[in-house]
Amino acid sequence: KQEVTQIPAALSVPEGENLVLNCSFTDSAIYNLQWFRQDPGKGLTSLLLIQSSQREQTSGRLNASLDKSSGRSTLYIAASQPGDSATYLCAVRPGQAGTALIFGKGTTLSVSS
Amino acid sequence: DAGVTQSPTHLIKTRGQQVTLRCSPKSGHDTVSWYQQALGQGPQFIFQYYEEEERQRGNFPDRFSGHQYPNYSSELNVNALLLGDSALYLCASSIRRTATNEKLFFGSGTQLSVL
Repeated sequence: KQEVTQIPAALSVPEGENLVLNCSFTDSAIYNLQWFRQDPGKGLTSLLLIQSSQREQTSGRLNASLDKSSGRSTLYIAASQPGDSATYLCAVRPGQAGTALIFGKGTTLSVSS
Repeated sequence: DAGVTQSPTHLIKTRGQQVTLRCSPKSGHDTVSWYQQALGQGPQFIFQYYEEEERQRGNFPDRFSGHQYPNYSSELNVNALLLGDSALYLCASSIRRTATNEKLFFGSGTQLSVL
């Protein structure tokens, strides 16, 4: 059974700091991995999608990497800003029939000015 | 181009009641998935609809049922509500033939409180 774990559960940093969020999954047989952002009480916004054949994806100050063999992904946020404060969720799409995502519990990030 | 829209945004019900949540997918999308997100948890997959049929189901009891209409919009119905059903219910849409390799688009969710 695929399980997704995100560490740390919460993180507080001062503005301008570079930071890394971690995601691990137990079954390396995945189609892809997706990072989402969620503001309090709101829906999910997709940030980056990494296909199983890719090693990383970049969008602006965000960079996500994937090491499928070790079951790990990281989300790197450069030069953090108070507007980056949110919960970041990692989700894998299992390598089986169907398209349901399996989510971690998220990392809640707080960036202080 | 409207994204995924959900209604209502908030709902308060009492135990034993029934509730219906609604979702309109992003333009051009034909597949709708529903997720339940309890406080402090990641979303959990409830079920997915395509061509007006339930195609995949997560580990949820039969009290959770759904429907998809010819215009691809969808409903989630929950019967005999329990306190534990209090959660944010998220709808996500995608294109069936490319869903495996594309991003999933989520609505803003319906916050259901069961008293």
